[in-house]
Order: sequence, then structure tokens, then C-alpha cells
Amino acid sequence: GNSVTQMEGPVTLSEEAFLTINCTYTATGYPSLFWYVQYPGEGLQLLLKATKADDKGSNKGFEATYRKETTSFHLEKGSVQVSDSAVYFCALSADNYGQNFVFGPGTRLSVLP
Amino acid sequence: ETGVTQSPTHLIKTRGQQVTLRCSSQSGHNTVSWYQQALGQGPQFIFQYYREEENGRGNFPPRFSGLQFPNYSSELNVNALELDDSALYLCASSLPGTSGLTDTQYFGPGTRLTVL
Repeated sequence: GNSVTQMEGPVTLSEEAFLTINCTYTATGYPSLFWYVQYPGEGLQLLLKATKADDKGSNKGFEATYRKETTSFHLEKGSVQVSDSAVYFCALSADNYGQNFVFGPGTRLSVLP
Repeated sequence: ETGVTQSPTHLIKTRGQQVTLRCSSQSGHNTVSWYQQALGQGPQFIFQYYREEENGRGNFPPRFSGLQFPNYSSELNVNALELDDSALYLCASSLPGTSGLTDTQYFGPGTRLTVL
């Protein structure tokens, strides 16, 4: 079945540090890939997405590139802020309606001033 | 454009009871999905409704059931509650993508269910 694997957290960084959160996936066909963010006490918000190989999604300084050859969609940001502290979920949408949106377990990021 | 709303925000039930959670989809979205998010985990897909019909189901028992109404709002019903049903229940609305796949989902804030 389809699945998403993320690097285990928590990840703790100092402000202005470089961020990478690894995400790899297993899926049949050609899924769309997403990063969602969940701030404390809030629901999930779409951060960025990519729908085909080599696409780069970007938003709020975050980027992720759809790498079909390595089945990866790693999230990066050049300079994190305290306000980026949240839980980040990698997810895929595939063509199996029984599990058409699959989330990874999430990675908690804490950014210290 | 209004976002996805859910009610109630919090709910406490006892084992064996039944619960109904409600969701209003984002304006214009005809597809609603429900997820269960246990503490510290990613959301798990329960089922999806498209134009009032169930359109896919995850690995959840039949005591989890749902409805979608003509205005695309939705309910999640859980019968015979168990302690392990304690979780955050998320509703997400979307439009089918051009290829027939579900595209970006927009999530509500969730309902926190506690089963004692």
C-alpha cells in the first residue's frame, strides 16, 4: 500500500539555521505530494505541494522538490524563525480511493531564539 | 470565502456511547474527507464523501459511519465508543482534481473527542 516516511523528531534549531526535514514515499502510479503544517492548537494548513516529477513547491520561504528517482520530497528552508515552530506532515494523494490521502507521522520542529 | 468549520470543538463521552461530529465544507467544495489523528501521530484516513456517496474508506470498522448532505456538509458518527477512539477528528474539503484524483485538501480545526 501507499505510505509516507518522515525523519523522526523532534528537531530543535536556533533561529536563522537551515532546515531540512526528510520525506520519502511509496506509492503506485504518480502521486501528488504535499507538506502540511500544524501550529500548536490549530488544524492542518497546506504549506506547499507538487503534482509531478521535478516540480518544486514553495511557500513562505519553504521549498520541496518532487524527486521521482529517489521517491523523496524533502522540505527545506534557508533561515528558520521562531514562528516556524510547528509539526510538519508530509503527505501523498494517489489514485487509490480507499486511501487517497496518506500522511506521514509528522516531525515536530522547535526553533529557539 | 468561508473555510472549513467543525463542531463541537471538544467532546467528552463514555465507553459504549455514540457520538456525532459535524463539518461544513469550504464554499464550492463537493468532497469531504474525515481523518482520525491520535496524539503524536499523523492523520489516518477514515472515509471520503463525494456528492452524498461514500467514495473510499480507510481501515476503520463499520461503527464509523458518515453522511453528506446536499449542501455538502457532513457528519461522522461513531457507535459503541471505545477508549482508543479518543483523538482529534479532522474534516477536510476539496474538489476532485482534473485527473480524478483528490487534490489539495483544506482542513477544519478539528473536534477533540475524549472517551472515558
